[in-house]
Amino acid sequence: DAGVIQSPRHEVTEMGQEVTLRCKPISGHNSLFWYRQTMMRGLELLIYFNNNVPIDDSGMPEDRFSAKMPNASFSTLKIQPSEPRDSAVYFCASSSDRGQETQYFGPGTRLLVL
Amino acid sequence: AQSVTQLGSHVSVSEGALVLLRCNYSSSVPPYLFWYVQYPNQGLQLLLKYTTGATLVKGINGFEAEFKKSETSFHLTKPSAHMSDAAEYFCAVSDASGYSTLTFGKGTMLLVSP
Repeated sequence: DAGVIQSPRHEVTEMGQEVTLRCKPISGHNSLFWYRQTMMRGLELLIYFNNNVPIDDSGMPEDRFSAKMPNASFSTLKIQPSEPRDSAVYFCASSSDRGQETQYFGPGTRLLVL
Repeated sequence: AQSVTQLGSHVSVSEGALVLLRCNYSSSVPPYLFWYVQYPNQGLQLLLKYTTGATLVKGINGFEAEFKKSETSFHLTKPSAHMSDAAEYFCAVSDASGYSTLTFGKGTMLLVSP
């Protein structure tokens, strides 16, 4: 299995621009998670999908952030407009449901907003 | 609400010495507990997890952890550190009664000196 795939791996953009991060979960997994990792705040859960439906988006920082999962094999996290404080590593993870199931993480997208 | 506390943002050991990384959790329901490792510029990888049954859990790379309900702890140990163990380690708790969202600790960076 290829594991969780994220693209791009690195993104440098200017403040005000739209940024779209992409994730392909492991085939057969029905839960998908978006996390943000920074030095100051550590690892934060942004949003969680189950069977393509957003279950918990309480971690999404503000209206500039949006996430979609149009089908079981693809999800996007969009930031519009981007700000320097959005600079972080964004991880996507997937699991096969329920609390005891392991979450498998992608390699992350390192975002720098200038 | 769940929370995880990892004591010590950095732990330094010599190669061959015992590794002990501390994790305490709070949870209103029986928890599932996880340790993840993150190598530089990579995503998180599962080391081990506790769901039910035996409280001493063995994981990859010689690591193990013991679930102590009375102490609400899940400390990670390894008898003899290796240079390749240098990485950041995250403890996480999941709500066993619901969906598989994880609450992570802030992480502990393990430094191994020759």
